[in-house]
Amino acid sequence: AQSVTQPDIHITVSEGASLELRCNYSYGATPYLFWYVQSPGQGLQLLLKYFSGDTLVQGIKGFEAEFKRSQSSFNLRKPSVHWSDAAEYFCAVGAGFQKLVFGTGTRLLVSP
Amino acid sequence: NAGVTQTPKFQVLKTGQSMTLQCAQDMNHNSMYWYRQDPGMGLRLIYYSASEGTTDKGEVPNGYNVSRLNKREFSLRLESAAPSQTSVYFCASSDAYSGTGDQPQHFGDGTRLSIL
Repeated sequence: AQSVTQPDIHITVSEGASLELRCNYSYGATPYLFWYVQSPGQGLQLLLKYFSGDTLVQGIKGFEAEFKRSQSSFNLRKPSVHWSDAAEYFCAVGAGFQKLVFGTGTRLLVSP
Repeated sequence: NAGVTQTPKFQVLKTGQSMTLQCAQDMNHNSMYWYRQDPGMGLRLIYYSASEGTTDKGEVPNGYNVSRLNKREFSLRLESAAPSQTSVYFCASSDAYSGTGDQPQHFGDGTRLSIL
């Protein structure tokens, strides 16, 4: 069965520093992969998606993610974090039959 | 463009009461979903509707029923609410249909439900 692991429950990053959030997936075929962000009290917003092709994917708000098949990973990165990036981030994998499986999320805290 | 609209935004129920959570999307999407979000557990799929006229169970369907009223609307019903159903409920929709693979899902802002 498909699964997603986000090993970091919380991460604290200084404003202006770089960010990398980890995501590992389990899926037998070529995966469809997504990163979502959730601000407090809000729904989830799509940051970026990977379906095929170039393994480095650009998203909104300056985020990017790299698909590494050999490591079953799809890590999210940002070169310089802003205070407004503080939120919870979810990685998800397409589970077939039009469903997604989500990780348990990583909460990003941004220190001044 | 409203996207996915959920009502109500907040609700408090007593154990044993029933209620229906409403969801409507204006993006002409085929597929709609209901999730619950609990601390440390991410989002878990309750039910989904791949297309108008069909519904299927997800990971945690017990205690819930759904109705795909038309292409726009997908409701979630709690027949006899239990404290374990205290959660934040999210509705989502996507443009996926059979053969297109897994498309991004668009989420509403959630319904915060407390059951006493």
